[in-house]
Amino acid sequence: QLQLQESGPGLVKPSETLSLTCTVSGGSISSSSYYWGWIRQPPGKGLEWIGSIYYSGSTYYNPSLKSRVTISVDTSKNQFSLKLSSVTAADTAVYYCASPSITFGGVIAPFDYWGQGTLVTVSS
Amino acid sequence: QSVLTQPPSASGTPGQRVTISCSGSSSNIGSNYVYWYQQLPGTAPKLLIYRNNQRPSGVPDRFSGSKSGTSASLAISGLRSEDEADYYCAAWDDSLSGFWVFGGGTKLTVL
Repeated sequence: QLQLQESGPGLVKPSETLSLTCTVSGGSISSSSYYWGWIRQPPGKGLEWIGSIYYSGSTYYNPSLKSRVTISVDTSKNQFSLKLSSVTAADTAVYYCASPSITFGGVIAPFDYWGQGTLVTVSS
Repeated sequence: QSVLTQPPSASGTPGQRVTISCSGSSSNIGSNYVYWYQQLPGTAPKLLIYRNNQRPSGVPDRFSGSKSGTSASLAISGLRSEDEADYYCAAWDDSLSGFWVFGGGTKLTVL
């Protein structure tokens, strides 16, 4: 069973860079045929897709966040990471990493496996 | 403001059938599959429906999805108390380089 776990600071200062890592167990990023994703959810609000990455490093980003987002992958550690720069209070959210199942392929694949989520608060 | 439009709330009594709508445009629902997620309080979302009307293994057949043009619907029949949750529709949007879009979510209350 695939498992994903987010890790990183729970508190980030305004204007700084938010950095999170998703560690994958029970499966290999490098042998997958789909894109791994980051999704966030502000407190009491809906889901927002941030971006997705393939094992090769190919990425897709949400146009509204593209100028501030970088998603990278480290297949040797079976991890992928998110960096969001110039954060403001509006970036306070639970951040999830997620993956499709092997039933799917490519970037247009729904997220079947989710991490538990990690709350990141932007505050001085 | 979400790209896909859902009603903020819905409700029903146990045993009833309820439907949740999701409206989009030609670049997302109109040209791609629709997916539905269920989010129970305090938990991560769970994939409920994929490719408009397919259920992942383990999802009861009380849940069904449909799509017509640029709109989609999730139906829940034989409503149960454990169905009380937030429901989100999602679709791939072909505009720009392509990206996932979600609905704003519908809070389902079982009365």
